[in-house]
Amino acid sequence: KAGVTQTPRYLIKTRGQQVTLSCSPISGHRSVSWYQQTPGQGLQFLFEYFSETQRNKGNFPGRFSGRQFSNSRSEMNVSTLELGDSALYLCASSPDPSTDTQYFGPGTRLTVL
Amino acid sequence: DAKTTQPTSMDCAEGRAANLPCNHSTISGNEYVYWYRQIHSQGPQYIIHGLKNNETNEMASLIITEDRKSSTLILPHATLRDTAVYYCIVRAYNDMRFGAGTRLTVKP
Repeated sequence: KAGVTQTPRYLIKTRGQQVTLSCSPISGHRSVSWYQQTPGQGLQFLFEYFSETQRNKGNFPGRFSGRQFSNSRSEMNVSTLELGDSALYLCASSPDPSTDTQYFGPGTRLTVL
Repeated sequence: DAKTTQPTSMDCAEGRAANLPCNHSTISGNEYVYWYRQIHSQGPQYIIHGLKNNETNEMASLIITEDRKSSTLILPHATLRDTAVYYCIVRAYNDMRFGAGTRLTVKP
């Protein structure tokens, strides 16, 4: 099976712009979670989607949003980018959100100038 | 906040067993212990997980104490490619709380 794929892999934006990142889960996986990783804060949970519904959300401002499509693919959006949003954004998928193991994609490296 | 405590860094000689400890004294009865590792800012790679019993797979063994307040990940024959940051996580649902992890360096 193909693993979790994320596009784009690298992205450079300027402050104030918005960005959309995409995640395709492993075939058959219906749950997608997003994480932000920075040198200062480490890996932090953003949100989780299952069956097109956000089930859980981390402690991030409303500028961070996401959605899931009927084919389980997910996108996350960050509006009004700030320098501090520069990070590795990771997507993870699992068959079921309850206790199944999450498998991570390679991440999207976002740099905000 | 992460519910686990791990050493910041550890070294291991190539070919020897690497034993990575993790304390999770506030773990709840329905929370699993998961181990992931991350190499060079790639996506974290799943290693192993367990609830109460010790577990073994092709990558590693997980030893959980009887009171479940701590665990040890064992890489039986460490190689240079095992150099990575290892994360111990306790979770019941999908919002996994990652701590700072242990940076394991395998030396020739």
